[in-house]
Amino acid sequence: AQTVTQSQPEMSVQEAETVTLSCTYDTSESDYYLFWYKQPPSRQMILVIRQEAYKQQNATENRFSVNFQKAAKSFSLKISDSQLGDAAMYFCALNYGGATNKLIFGTGTLLAVQP
Amino acid sequence: DAGVTQSPTHLIKTRGQQVTLRCSPISGHKSVSWYQQVLGQGPQFIFQYYEKEERGRGNFPDRFSARQFPNYSSELNVNALLLGDSALYLCASSPGITYQETQYFGPGTRLLVL
Repeated sequence: AQTVTQSQPEMSVQEAETVTLSCTYDTSESDYYLFWYKQPPSRQMILVIRQEAYKQQNATENRFSVNFQKAAKSFSLKISDSQLGDAAMYFCALNYGGATNKLIFGTGTLLAVQP
Repeated sequence: DAGVTQSPTHLIKTRGQQVTLRCSPISGHKSVSWYQQVLGQGPQFIFQYYEKEERGRGNFPDRFSARQFPNYSSELNVNALLLGDSALYLCASSPGITYQETQYFGPGTRLLVL
């Protein structure tokens, strides 16, 4: 079975500081995609960053970057220079293919940004 | 370009009633997926439709059904509502059906069953 685990229910960071959110996953597939989605109080699920398992280079999007450790099945998100607008629920998700293009989500990490 | 749109934004129903939720995908996207997000949890996959055909179904009872129209919009129907059906229902669209394609989400419909 494919699973995604986020072990940090809540995190807090000071504005302008750096924070890392953890995610581990399990799949027997050799190729898959990993995603971080952000869900602010407005509810809209917004794509933050994505990583293909076959690519060894860690993905980056402006202040957001990932540390992808395939052997350890770890996919952490680093947010640099945190801003008040980064406060949200962050979900890690896995799409491993198979017969259906479906996302498997973790339980989320609620990030608070302190001014 | 418009993103994924969903209607209504909020809905209140009573147990036993039926509900229909609607979703319009991003222009050019032919695949629509539905997810249920119970408070405090991550979204759970319900259905995926592509070119008007069901391509995947999650572990949900037969009370849940969906369909996709020729313009690629979609409806999710839930019959005989239970209290446990109270959740945020998210629609996501992608250009096609492969797992390499990113899914883009709509704002969701908040359903409350009393």
